[in-house]
Amino acid sequence: DTEVTQTPKHLVMGMTNKKSLKCEQHMGHRAMYWYKQKAKKPPELMFVYSYEKLSINESVPSRFSPECPNSSLLNLHLHALQPEDSALYLCASSQPDRVLEKLFFGSGTQLSVL
Amino acid sequence: AQTVTQSQPEMSVQEAETVTLSCTYDTSESDYYLFWYKQPPSRQMILVIRQEAYKQQNATENRFSVNFQKAAKSFSLKISDSQLGDAAMYFCAYRPSPGSSNTGKLIFGQGTTLQVKP
Repeated sequence: DTEVTQTPKHLVMGMTNKKSLKCEQHMGHRAMYWYKQKAKKPPELMFVYSYEKLSINESVPSRFSPECPNSSLLNLHLHALQPEDSALYLCASSQPDRVLEKLFFGSGTQLSVL
Repeated sequence: AQTVTQSQPEMSVQEAETVTLSCTYDTSESDYYLFWYKQPPSRQMILVIRQEAYKQQNATENRFSVNFQKAAKSFSLKISDSQLGDAAMYFCAYRPSPGSSNTGKLIFGQGTTLQVKP
């Protein structure tokens, strides 16, 4: 299994809603990432988990709350989002000690905030 | 801070022809890693090719090759015998060395949209 699975594929939420994005991999990777991507722009790193511990937080607003409950699962909890948070949210995984090893990306969750 | 620049927002190539996508980067480090990722309309980022900065030999992967010029901080991607399936957005990316506190960080350029004409 060489896939990173993200659910849901599409999500529409209001600014007062609470929702969660889910990412799962079964490749034994111990680093997992959340990226945010606007249309026709590069992905922007949000969070990195290494061995289930948060290692990088790119000054992301607190309305985004990551969680890594185990080595296979990564969640992104969303609360009180703004319309400008509408974007494609990509999850990725890799082995943390192998820098040259590629990141495996999921197909993303397209989020629309109304 | 490291930066990655792709100066060509859009490129087009005729099927079966060769095209080169440009990428330059800025870093004060001597050890780092460079990548080209492809993002087709399916939105999934796919690794095309990777290069270790300490290796002088240019990486190749089938029809894809790079021209890595470390002194010039340039990392261009050449696609030979272009195919319709190569149409996608291509991102150049930089990753710091394992000794860096930012080693988990992949820094992307702005991307180049490649159109392949039949």
